[in-house]
Amino acid sequence: DSGVTQTPKHLITATGQRVTLRCSPRSGDLSVYWYQQSLDQGLQFLIQYYNGEERAKGNILERFSAQQFPDLHSELNLSSLELGDSALYFCASSAVVGPQETQYFGPGTRLLVL
Amino acid sequence: AQSVTQLDSQVPVFEEAPVELRCNYSSSVSVYLFWYVQYPNQGLQLLLKYLSGSTLVKGINGFEAEFNKSQTSFHLRKPSVHISDTAEYFCAVTDPGSNYQLIWGAGTKLIIKP
Repeated sequence: DSGVTQTPKHLITATGQRVTLRCSPRSGDLSVYWYQQSLDQGLQFLIQYYNGEERAKGNILERFSAQQFPDLHSELNLSSLELGDSALYFCASSAVVGPQETQYFGPGTRLLVL
Repeated sequence: AQSVTQLDSQVPVFEEAPVELRCNYSSSVSVYLFWYVQYPNQGLQLLLKYLSGSTLVKGINGFEAEFNKSQTSFHLRKPSVHISDTAEYFCAVTDPGSNYQLIWGAGTKLIIKP
């Protein structure tokens, strides 16, 4: 158990819909990362927050957005869902930002868009 | 830009045999290297990391990796694998040029044959 929690574990929805994925980082970790893992694209970094502020953006679509709240939990919002958005979405957290950081991953949310 | 290549998408190996999972990166300037493991239906977990110092890094579960600057490689090895090592293994690299964001390889599935 990494100490990172993600809800829900599974999500099934239809095209065009909007969903929210939630992540609670390890106690004390200020940094949260979101990743998408799919069979064709592999592991893709989406976005990083540090202490409530966006720190880095990866391959995040405009239909996707995220935020980190004062209690440090984070939410990833996916809208106008397409079939291709079906994937495993991971959240990770780290205590520090820098080359030595270890990211601790949650168990993921499996999203299926029908 | 930094990139990571894991040449083998799958590596089948007999139980108790040695294994090497290959990882090459593109730039040798001040890199920091990581191996993460993803067990079936779980999130990723850090196996080991190289930040500086000895080029031979020991990790959890009997794994080790060797940093080779001249060959820009960071191959992962285990002298004797067990069925419980069945997982997908990801190599990742970070450097100042990527703002210390992790750049991920495509992953290698380790398949243990009984």
